Amino acid sequence: AQSVTQLDSHVSVSEGTPVLLRCNYSSSYSPSLFWYVQHPNKGLQLLLKYTSAATLVKGINGFEAEFKKSETSFHLTKPSAHMSDAAEYFCVVSDSPGTASKLTFGTGTRLQVTL
Amino acid sequence: GAVVSQHPSWVICKSGTSVKIECRSLDFQATTMFWYRQFPKQSLMLMATSNEGSKATYEQGVEKDKFLINHASLTLSTLTVTSAHPEDSSFYICSARGGGTDTQYFGPGTRLTVL
Repeated sequence: AQSVTQLDSHVSVSEGTPVLLRCNYSSSYSPSLFWYVQHPNKGLQLLLKYTSAATLVKGINGFEAEFKKSETSFHLTKPSAHMSDAAEYFCVVSDSPGTASKLTFGTGTRLQVTL
Repeated sequence: GAVVSQHPSWVICKSGTSVKIECRSLDFQATTMFWYRQFPKQSLMLMATSNEGSKATYEQGVEKDKFLINHASLTLSTLTVTSAHPEDSSFYICSARGGGTDTQYFGPGTRLTVL
């Protein structure tokens, strides 16, 4: 079975400083990993996806994530936070390869950005 | 591309009535659609998976007679909450996946309040 652990339920950063949201996964095969963002009362927006092509994945809005198999991690980073980045972030793993997969969600990390 | 819409965005109904929520993939054909439920400040819980033209597969603990899912076309799935009760109040989110990929694209969600 697949699982995802988001190590921080809440992260607070100042605007203009780096963002680091941590995620560890467990998978019995080479997984697909995703980061989604959810703004209040909104659906989820795909930030980026890892599918084994490259370990450093660049996403939208300046976010990127690095897949580290040895550490079973897929941390999300951004060099400089913006007020509009304040939201809930979910690390997600696909439970099996291909189109039969279901997604397993982490518990989420709420990012707060202060002036 | 990959836009998913939901209607309505919010609905208030009386206890005992039924409510239908629509999920549409606007610019791609969704071979599979998913319905999730999200409680306040919690992660998403998968309720069911539906493939176009076939019966939905419900997750353990989800009442199929209470949450009716229809996926009649490649762009539309509906979730009907039958005989709604206050405990059914929640944020319902759908997602859609096209053929040949494990990436899900999420709708904006529907806030259901049962009085």
